Amino acid sequence: SQQGEEDPQALSIQEGENATMNCSYKTSINNLQWYRQNSGRGLVHLILIRSNEREKHSGRLRVTLDTSKKSSSLLITASRAADTASYFCAPWGSGYSTLTFGKGTMLLVSP
Amino acid sequence: DTAVSQTPKYLVTQMGNDKSIKCEQNLGHDTMYWYKQDSKKFLKIMFSYNNKELIINETVPNRFSPKSPDKAHLNLHINSLELGDSAVYFCASSPRVGPRTEKLFFGSGTQLSVL
Repeated sequence: SQQGEEDPQALSIQEGENATMNCSYKTSINNLQWYRQNSGRGLVHLILIRSNEREKHSGRLRVTLDTSKKSSSLLITASRAADTASYFCAPWGSGYSTLTFGKGTMLLVSP
Repeated sequence: DTAVSQTPKYLVTQMGNDKSIKCEQNLGHDTMYWYKQDSKKFLKIMFSYNNKELIINETVPNRFSPKSPDKAHLNLHINSLELGDSAVYFCASSPRVGPRTEKLFFGSGTQLSVL
């Protein structure tokens, strides 16, 4: 399977707390992307991390990649109510035909 | 300007009807996609077109027929709609497809309800 699997399926936190979600995949990859989906909207690309990178930052987002464990994590620091959304990971490898998505992690940030 | 736009946003129809969803991108991308998201939020690839040419058809029933008149447009026609076709359909585009694929840009989705 080429899709990533996000964990946990749902996460509920208070504003100001950090949110961590994880992604596992099964085959070798060239890069891994994270996307956000707000309710009733399409997916929006957040960040891409390449296989030779271990960590990447973008604003309040921090992504790590451990290719030996075939896993990635997305950390959102100082979360806001506006971060409430579903988050999807999408691994990509040379044998892949297209980006494939799992069921995502549904994050709820309460004020 | 909306980068990837699809219409209609909502589509309610009866079983057995034929319907179309349209998608247009103004990003100059070569590759366009149709994804289906079911009620459990699982997002599944249906089709992919690269420069008007079909490159992926993921075992979708032949009642679904994509059409790409040019590389900026990818429409989805569905014949003989069934209850199980109820879902949200997303169009997406990317600059290209290949070993160094880049990020996808998604439309806002078409919620199809088959009654």
